[in-house]
Amino acid sequence: GENVEQHPSTLSVQEGDSAVIKCTYSDSASNYFPWYKQELGKRPQLIIDIRSNVGEKKDQRIAVTLNKTAKHFSLHITETQPEDSAVYFCAASLGNGNQFYFGTGTSLTVIP
Amino acid sequence: GAVVSQHPSRVICKSGTSVKIECRSLDFQATTMFWYRQFPKKSLMLMATSNEGSKATYEQGVEKDKFLINHASLTLSTLTVTSAHPEDSSFYICSARETGSANTGELFFGEGSRLTVL
Repeated sequence: GENVEQHPSTLSVQEGDSAVIKCTYSDSASNYFPWYKQELGKRPQLIIDIRSNVGEKKDQRIAVTLNKTAKHFSLHITETQPEDSAVYFCAASLGNGNQFYFGTGTSLTVIP
Repeated sequence: GAVVSQHPSRVICKSGTSVKIECRSLDFQATTMFWYRQFPKKSLMLMATSNEGSKATYEQGVEKDKFLINHASLTLSTLTVTSAHPEDSSFYICSARETGSANTGELFFGEGSRLTVL
């Protein structure tokens, strides 16, 4: 099956700085890469996603980049705010109802 | 967005008993639901894929006789932890995709169920 690795496991940044989380995947057939944010005690929620036919996608302060050749994708959060503090998970999927495999998670702390 | 409801949110049971967790898609139909296990400060480990009207597909290392999954309708999947032991204590969370949503791909998660086996 798919193997998704995520780095770093923990990340602390000052408010206003940028945060970058990186993931790699093993199955070249994976074509859908979502990012989920899980706040303490809450369910994971989708924040942004990207498909394999796109190299970059941006939504306000959040952006995701994908390098299919190298099989890695990254989450970029700019102008971080304390409410961005959470655990972030990347995932890879073949799409069409196939399984989602999650990375190990990154605990982001934004220091006011 | 779509809503997935999971019940119970917390359950405590004695060792050797069985516990059933329900996962419901409230406002959409889900042909496929996924069951994950999450350890403290750890990732979501896929346990099995629940398919409506057919047998679940289990990930390697997950005992199908231990974790019984039933997906009897397009809106309900259940996970039964049989003969629970303390090492089964964990946070179990389900997710679902809307049937026919292949283009969107978004997974919707339930609230999760905290199982404690004494």
